[in-house]
Amino acid sequence: GNSVTQMEGPVTLSEEAFLTINCTYTATGYPSLFWYVQYPGEGLQLLLKATKADDKGSNKGFEATYRKETTSFHLEKGSVQVSDSAVYFCALTRAGANNLFFGTGTRLTVIP
Amino acid sequence: SAVISQKPSRDICQRGTSLTIQCQVDSQVTMMFWYRQQPGQSLTLIATANQGSEATYESGFVIDKFPISRPNLTFSTLTVSNMSPEDSSIYLCSERDGMNTEAFFGQGTRLTVV
Repeated sequence: GNSVTQMEGPVTLSEEAFLTINCTYTATGYPSLFWYVQYPGEGLQLLLKATKADDKGSNKGFEATYRKETTSFHLEKGSVQVSDSAVYFCALTRAGANNLFFGTGTRLTVIP
Repeated sequence: SAVISQKPSRDICQRGTSLTIQCQVDSQVTMMFWYRQQPGQSLTLIATANQGSEATYESGFVIDKFPISRPNLTFSTLTVSNMSPEDSSIYLCSERDGMNTEAFFGQGTRLTVV
């Protein structure tokens, strides 16, 4: 089946610290992978995506590389800001599927 | 990406009543979906809203409890019927315009049932 396993939170970091949120997946075929972010009181926003192996998605200083050999799509940022405080969701969709499969979400809090 | 407007953004409802949530997309889209996000949880797909036909429900969700309409390619509604406190959640509308594309979401409806 299709599933996403995401690093449990919450994660608390000081401003300018390095961030890694782990995400591994199980899927048939060749899925597309996504990271979504949910700021307090808001819906989900697409942060970045990768559609094939070795692709690197990047946006707003965040990066994630599609690693087929380790079935992973870890989210990284070199220097977090207070404004990055949010819940981050890893997700996948496989070819031919209508919907996305989401991980459990990781709450990040960045303190000044 | 399409702009998705969802309303109401939040509501507090009495148990036993029903609430209809509306989702409007500013362009025609192929697929529309409804998700539930229970407090502190991830997203669970309720159903796929099919244009001009009955919605396709996921396991654990039934039409009597969550009737869905999709009269055209830009609009859908989700009704939460005969509500109980366990229905308190965020309900999210989503759209995709192709099988291998990302999904976009409305801002969500935060429902509290008292």
